[in-house]
Order: sequence, then C-alpha cells, then structure tokens
Amino acid sequence: DQQVKQNSPSLSVQEGRISILNCDYTNSMFDYFLWYKKYPAEGPTFLISISSIKDKNEDGRFTVFLNKSAKHLSLHIVPSQPGDSAVYFCAASAGGTYKYIFGTGTRLKVLA
Amino acid sequence: SQTIHQWPATLVQPVGSPLSLECTVEGTSNPNLYWYRQAAGRGLQLLFYSVGIGQISSEVPQNLSASRPQDRQFILSSKKLLLSDSGFYLCAWSVAGNTIYFGEGSWLTVV
Repeated sequence: DQQVKQNSPSLSVQEGRISILNCDYTNSMFDYFLWYKKYPAEGPTFLISISSIKDKNEDGRFTVFLNKSAKHLSLHIVPSQPGDSAVYFCAASAGGTYKYIFGTGTRLKVLA
Repeated sequence: SQTIHQWPATLVQPVGSPLSLECTVEGTSNPNLYWYRQAAGRGLQLLFYSVGIGQISSEVPQNLSASRPQDRQFILSSKKLLLSDSGFYLCAWSVAGNTIYFGEGSWLTVV
C-alpha cells in the first residue's frame, strides 16, 4: 500500500516559468511533510518542509502548500531554472514514529 | 555541524556473496538512523530504522539485515546476495523526528 503517491512520473517546464509538483497521501496520521531533490547516484538533499499546523511554507524560490482535507501537498518552484532539473521526492511522517515514507518521485526537466 | 558518511560508494558482488555497507554519523548524539533503497526507476523504500543502539525495526521482509553496534554507526548486511538486491542504498539520520538527512549513497550491483 503506497501511503505517499506522486502520480506524475515526469514534468517538463520552460526556464523562468513555474514548476508545480504534486503529492498525495492516504494516512491521516501524517503531520510532517518534506520535499527532497535528488540527482542520479547521489543522496537526496532536503529542500523544504511543512507541519500540519500550517498550510503554506516558503523558502526563496520554493513554496510548499498543504491541503489537509484533500490530503494533498504541492511544491512550487518560481522561477524554474535549468539547475532545478532533478527527481523530486515528497515524504511524510506521523508524529513520534520516526518513520519517513517517501513517494515514488517526479522527474523535473527545466528547458532552457 | 553534523555529517554522514557511508561506504563503499560502489560495489559489484556475485550472487551468493555476503554484503556489508557501513554508515556513520558525526556531530550528533543518539540519532535515529535509517537504511533506504532505491531500485532502478523506483522510489525510496524504507528498509530499516533504529532509534537506539541494538534497536532495529524492519519494514519489509527481505534478504537483508541491519545492526547498530554503536550510537552513530549503522550497518546493512546480507549473508547471501540475490540479484534482486541490486540498487542504490541510502543511509540517513534524523533527530527528534525532524528533517531526515541522507548520505551519499552506495550503488550495489549483484551479478
């Protein structure tokens, strides 16, 4: 049972435009959500997180939105840059469990 | 600052041979430690996590085992590798249920 889903395996966006990556979850106990960026043959690097007590968190070009009623979160990258091309993973955890469940990833390609 | 190291970075092993991947964390005490695997074209699958020395939780039945002999050391092992064990293995750490941080990864090819 995939508790965290990223239904779009790939996304292409023009440089300078907005990239929107989506993530859905099924476990209502999840209360902390994270986004990671991963290049081939490297470990994922942390981008941004959000707690369930918020519905938006912003850090520079990256903004994460959380819709708890829909069990949906999204990552917005504005403006997109060629260096943003990578695989993006969302992850979720439930308070006190110390377990982080990851989605299957979305490959973002930013076209110059 | 905290750092995490895992090794070896690349490994080619024959079917039936043993495996040992090692991970150490520096700059923090009593971290939660994790082993994930990314199979080709797939997401990150949680294999094991540990909240303390000798405390290992296994997430999926498999041909692998994990051990935590010291506070900041996490080892992934197998007695006999299978072809299906091939993949990219990632060690990670966190403290107090906050952000999880990953090592550089170890690419295992079983031939």
